Amino acid sequence: DAGVTQSPTHLIKTRGQQVTLRCSPKSGHDTVSWYQQALGQGPQFIFQYYEEEERQRGNFPDRFSGHQFPNYSSELNVNALLLGDSALYLCASSLKGLAGVYNEQFFGPGTRLTVL
Amino acid sequence: GQQVMQIPQYQHVQEGEDFTTYCNSSTTLSNIQWYKQRPGGHPVFLIQLVKSGEVKKQKRLTFQFGEAKKNSSLHITATQTTDVGTYFCAGPRSSGAQKLVFGQGTRLTINP
Repeated sequence: DAGVTQSPTHLIKTRGQQVTLRCSPKSGHDTVSWYQQALGQGPQFIFQYYEEEERQRGNFPDRFSGHQFPNYSSELNVNALLLGDSALYLCASSLKGLAGVYNEQFFGPGTRLTVL
Repeated sequence: GQQVMQIPQYQHVQEGEDFTTYCNSSTTLSNIQWYKQRPGGHPVFLIQLVKSGEVKKQKRLTFQFGEAKKNSSLHITATQTTDVGTYFCAGPRSSGAQKLVFGQGTRLTINP
């Protein structure tokens, strides 16, 4: 059973460019969340997708957008890259819980994005 | 907004010594999760605590959830080199929410 997979593993871009990161959730999971982790910091929630819709969003600008496909895989897009966008981008999958139930998240290995 | 703070930020111990990291939330949490991230790796789920005053053990690891559900701790007894990594606590943004607010983590290093 494959866990969460992400591609690419590393990426180098220049300021102003656009980037797309991809994530395949753990088998059987229907919810995908994206996090940004700067060096030495905890992961920061970007947004979450369930049933192909963005359900929750963190404090990130509109330059960050995403998509979820019918097979539950997901993409994170970042436009007009800034130097400060350099970070490890983590995808986490989980099962949508019932109200008040919170399920553990399985993280992928991440994509290391460097913006020059 | 909700904040989750962890102390200490760094901890260096001799192998065999105990280790504790503390997590404090600015708001009451419906539950709290703990994750471990090895150097160069990704966060791996350790445990979830839900009930006020709950204590759970996993071998040498003991997790506690405060009575007021605003703080938590992770204690490792007799550390081993395999315990090296950063330990994060995380709580949901609001009750039933599926997004987590992570603390900044406690980085544990061990002298063999």
